[in-house]
Amino acid sequence: EAQVTQNPRYLITVTGKKLTVTCSQNMNHEYMSWYRQDPGLGLRQIYYSMNVEVTDKGDVPEGYKVSRKEKRNFPLILESPSPNQTSLYFCASSLYQGAYEQYFGPGTRLTVT
Amino acid sequence: DAKTTQPPSMDCAEGRAANLPCNHSTISGNEYVYWYRQIHSQGPQYIIHGLKNNETNEMASLIITEDRKSSTLILPHATLRDTAVYYCIVRVSLYGSGNTGKLIFGQGTTLQVKP
Repeated sequence: EAQVTQNPRYLITVTGKKLTVTCSQNMNHEYMSWYRQDPGLGLRQIYYSMNVEVTDKGDVPEGYKVSRKEKRNFPLILESPSPNQTSLYFCASSLYQGAYEQYFGPGTRLTVT
Repeated sequence: DAKTTQPPSMDCAEGRAANLPCNHSTISGNEYVYWYRQIHSQGPQYIIHGLKNNETNEMASLIITEDRKSSTLILPHATLRDTAVYYCIVRVSLYGSGNTGKLIFGQGTTLQVKP
């Protein structure tokens, strides 16, 4: 089944404790990206990747890192999480950056205390 | 990318057609209209897209006005499972165009399907 998977689905952590949210897709897609969703602000793009080893900042990249060492994986790294990063996070992928259909993962609900 | 305007909420009776409007008066000639939906904090799901012709797939129909300044998503026989937030998005779809692939989600329309 074609899908985007994220882990963990739920995470409660403390300020400053490094964490990684994994994202994997099995569709051989070139393009992957991360969004965060907050009430009243909608979904905002954090980082995106056009292909392996090619990443770039989205609209809200501060406090986040990403890497794209393999085509299928695009982890989101929070080196020193803060409470303002409490949010619902979605990973997405598509065949290429302009493709009409993007596939979204199930989401990761992160709480930073 | 052009801005879109949608009503914040709509109700629809189960089994009836749901017609969700979207205004995009500043749309450019190379911009497509996309519809996605999000069911209660799940990941958004692609529904349909179009440029200027009406489109239909197994989920919905998309009607785009001749001047392309507005469109309507039609769910022909709404079910309770169609209760969701529906997003109308306008964006170019080009390979290697330099666009970031970003989808700009507005506030969308919350569709409540009632028994």
